[in-house]
Amino acid sequence: DQQVKQNSPSLSVQEGRISILNCDYTNSMFDYFLWYKKYPAEGPTFLISISSIKDKNEDGRFTVFLNKSAKHLSLHIVPSQPGDSAVYFCAGNTGKLIFGQGTTLQVKP
Amino acid sequence: DAGITQSPRHKVTETGTPVTLRCHQTENHRYMYWYRQDPGHGLRLIHYSYGVKDTDKGEVSDGYSVSRSKTEDFLLTLESATSSQTSVYFCAISEGDIQETQYFGPGTRLLVL
Repeated sequence: DQQVKQNSPSLSVQEGRISILNCDYTNSMFDYFLWYKKYPAEGPTFLISISSIKDKNEDGRFTVFLNKSAKHLSLHIVPSQPGDSAVYFCAGNTGKLIFGQGTTLQVKP
Repeated sequence: DAGITQSPRHKVTETGTPVTLRCHQTENHRYMYWYRQDPGHGLRLIHYSYGVKDTDKGEVSDGYSVSRSKTEDFLLTLESATSSQTSVYFCAISEGDIQETQYFGPGTRLLVL
C-alpha cells in the first residue's frame, strides 16, 4: 500500500524551461508535504514544504502546489538549471515521513 | 549543513554476520531516524528514536534493532545480515515537531553477499 506515489520515474527538460514534478497521495491524515532533492552519493536535502491548509508555497524558483480534493501535489521549478538535475522525492508527514519512489530530473543545457 | 555523520560509508559483509551502522549528530536534536533507500521504493523508515533509550519501529523494522544511549549517537544493528538488506542506509535528525524538517546524513552503502 503506497501512500505516496510519484508515477513518473524520470523527466527531461531543457535549461530555462519549467520542470513540473508530480506526486499523488492516498492518506488524508498528512499535515505537511515536503520535497527533497538528492544528488548521487549524497543524502537527501530539504527543498520546500507546504502545509495541508495551504494550496501554494513559493521559494525562489521553486513552487509547490497542493490540490487536496485530488490528493495531488506538484513541484514547479522555473527556470530550470542544469544544477537542478537530481532525484526528487515528495513526502507526506504525519509525524513520520512517508516518501514517494522519486523522480529523476535531467535538465539539459 | 546539519552536523550528521555516518560510519562506515561503505561496507561489504557476508550473509549471517552482524553489522552495526553508526549515526552521529552534533545538533543536539531530539529525534533521530534510520531509513533505507531502494530502487522503486524511495526511502522507508526502519526505526526512529525520540530520546535517549526511547525508540520505536518504522514500516520496515524486521531484521533490524537500534539503540540510543547518548543524544548524539543512534546505532542500527543487523543481527544476521541477509542479501535483502543490501541497500543504502540514511540517518536523519529533527527537532521532532510535525512541521520540523528532517535533515539527512550522507548515507552508508551496504552490500550483503
